[in-house]
Amino acid sequence: EVQLVESGGGLVQPGRSLRLSCAASGFIFDDYAMHWVRQAPGKGLEWVSGLDWSSVNIGYADSVRGRFTVSRDNAKNSLHLQMNSLRPEDTALYYCAKSYVTGWRMDAFDIWGQGTVVTVSS
Amino acid sequence: QSALTQPPSASGSPGQSVTMSCTGTSSDVGGYYYVSWYQQHPGKAPKLIIYEVTKRPSGVPDRFSGSKSGNTASLTVSGLQAEDEADYYCSSYAGSNFNVFGTGTKVTVL
Repeated sequence: EVQLVESGGGLVQPGRSLRLSCAASGFIFDDYAMHWVRQAPGKGLEWVSGLDWSSVNIGYADSVRGRFTVSRDNAKNSLHLQMNSLRPEDTALYYCAKSYVTGWRMDAFDIWGQGTVVTVSS
Repeated sequence: QSALTQPPSASGSPGQSVTMSCTGTSSDVGGYYYVSWYQQHPGKAPKLIIYEVTKRPSGVPDRFSGSKSGNTASLTVSGLQAEDEADYYCSSYAGSNFNVFGTGTKVTVL
């Protein structure tokens, strides 16, 4: 079964750090780009970051660039998001998602995890 | 990096069709054939229903169809069914390893 399982969310104070992880199974992980997408409570989807299979091509939303770092470990079929200098506006459900097309393609997300909640509050 | 613009709501009766738009710029929707659409039911993860503007992943009914003209993409749901009531989001690749989502459209089946 193709599956993505996120972990690492929680309650954190503004300015602190948190590291999210996503464990992938059921597909050839290093064939696909992977992404983080978030959804604030009652709001729409926001693409946060993504990287291709080789970690050469990496992108970030303006709202997180310089504070968040995405990485992947193809040997362990895992994706990570290091979040530093967290702000209240980073509060959201964070989804891990897989690109639908193989290779360098960074669009179209066909497999999603159930998400992990990040709450930034003092 | 502004979100793509979608109408907040759309509605139709069972069996009817509903079409929703997704307006961007020449840097995203107008510049690439990499527009995708997602259906999200309350409390659930989004589901990919259209990719590359017009293509449907395996298992998605052909009642869902996509198109694009210039900087605006559209999703049409034909033969509306009760289970189509959900939030719909468009997304576009915008170059430089960046993607952008739309603001979302809530579809109500009357």
